[in-house]
Amino acid sequence: DTAVSQTPKYLVTQMGNDKSIKCEQNLGHDTMYWYKQDSKKFLKIMFSYNNKELIINETVPNRFSPKSPDKAHLNLHINSLELGDSAVYFCASSPQRTGQGYTFGSGTRLTVV
Amino acid sequence: SQQGEEDPQALSIQEGENATMNCSYKTSINNLQWYRQNSGRGLVHLILIRSNEREKHSGRLRVTLDTSKKSSSLLITASRAADTASYFCATDNNSQFYFGTGTSLTVIP
Repeated sequence: DTAVSQTPKYLVTQMGNDKSIKCEQNLGHDTMYWYKQDSKKFLKIMFSYNNKELIINETVPNRFSPKSPDKAHLNLHINSLELGDSAVYFCASSPQRTGQGYTFGSGTRLTVV
Repeated sequence: SQQGEEDPQALSIQEGENATMNCSYKTSINNLQWYRQNSGRGLVHLILIRSNEREKHSGRLRVTLDTSKKSSSLLITASRAADTASYFCATDNNSQFYFGTGTSLTVIP
């Protein structure tokens, strides 16, 4: 069973729409993350939650809003999608904030048309 | 920026050869990690080396860390076609975690 699972795997949507990506981990980790990987494979952290509390919020447009109903879930909601939002979004988790390796989900490829 | 930079950006070798990738970073770190990403997949954690360690081994992987030069290297010995992937270093300074730009490794059978 996948330890960090994200859905959907692919998402194609029109500009201006609102969409959500879900992430769940069954590892009992305290910290979860969202990363964005652009076409040049550069990975940039977007958000980090530790036990449902936001601890990192990088310079991300307000259109992106993470929601953590419990420490096993961290969903990403995106409002008013723009062409530049097209990327692969990865969810990850780690046992604690630092000092441990991350476990990544398999990614959600978002294409905005 | 804490971001690490891998070098080279792309590397192509014959199966059986060794592959060496380097990572440089800018500020002090708590630890440095290496990840592999196969095409279209998520990242897989390979190895973590702490700031007080100089070398670490895991199977065919050997990682070195030189904190005075702010650099790390990943050596894959006796490469296999299945090692074809992108390799990223990631630096952890206790408050932030940043990935480098990645090295794309192609192992030719």
